[in-house]
Amino acid sequence: GAGVSQSPSNKVTEKGKDVELRCDPISGHTALYWYRQSLGQGLEFLIYFQGNSAPDKSGLPSDRFSAERTGGSVSTLTIQRTQQEDSAVYLCASSPTYVYTFGSGTRLTVV
Amino acid sequence: SQQGEEDPQALSIQEGENATMNCSYKTSINNLQWYRQNSGRGLVHLILIRSNEREKHSGRLRVTLDTSKKSSSLLITASRAADTASYFCAPYTGTASKLTFGTGTRLQVTL
Repeated sequence: GAGVSQSPSNKVTEKGKDVELRCDPISGHTALYWYRQSLGQGLEFLIYFQGNSAPDKSGLPSDRFSAERTGGSVSTLTIQRTQQEDSAVYLCASSPTYVYTFGSGTRLTVV
Repeated sequence: SQQGEEDPQALSIQEGENATMNCSYKTSINNLQWYRQNSGRGLVHLILIRSNEREKHSGRLRVTLDTSKKSSSLLITASRAADTASYFCAPYTGTASKLTFGTGTRLQVTL
């Protein structure tokens, strides 16, 4: 597509439930990144996929968070047993080299 | 990867005035990028300056880079209400590194 697409744009979930966030990057972009941004804060790096290399998972805050990228394209970020502190905007970006194109994000609210 | 630190944290100016925001970083870079974020959603790439460049212009944007001081500045001339946003700098250190983002400068342009 023309841009990075994220879905859903908003998600409200109950504490303890699992959620899946989807990112559809720009076709041909080999790198894909996930960040999260809590209210009024900067971007926190979560995970980075580059081609067929092993992903850089160094930013995942706990083992409740996982992500996969299928066929070098679409990525899914999964949060298990959600907690209230997981409430944030989750941003996905893709890149052919080092200039990023971001999606509009998924606003996750855990109640 | 390394994070840029933006200064000031917040800036309020009137329409028509110029806005200057600064960025400092710690290690050698390949390039430095500036991004804008409106309303807490996806970031938009504004401009990139390479390590061997000292100044770059794009429309009303002027970016400078001083590698000896490990600092950069972004100048927005003749600001408009639509420039109200958060601005982030992102130093890029080289191949396979990821961008990390600070807390940004929140710019408010009033009529």
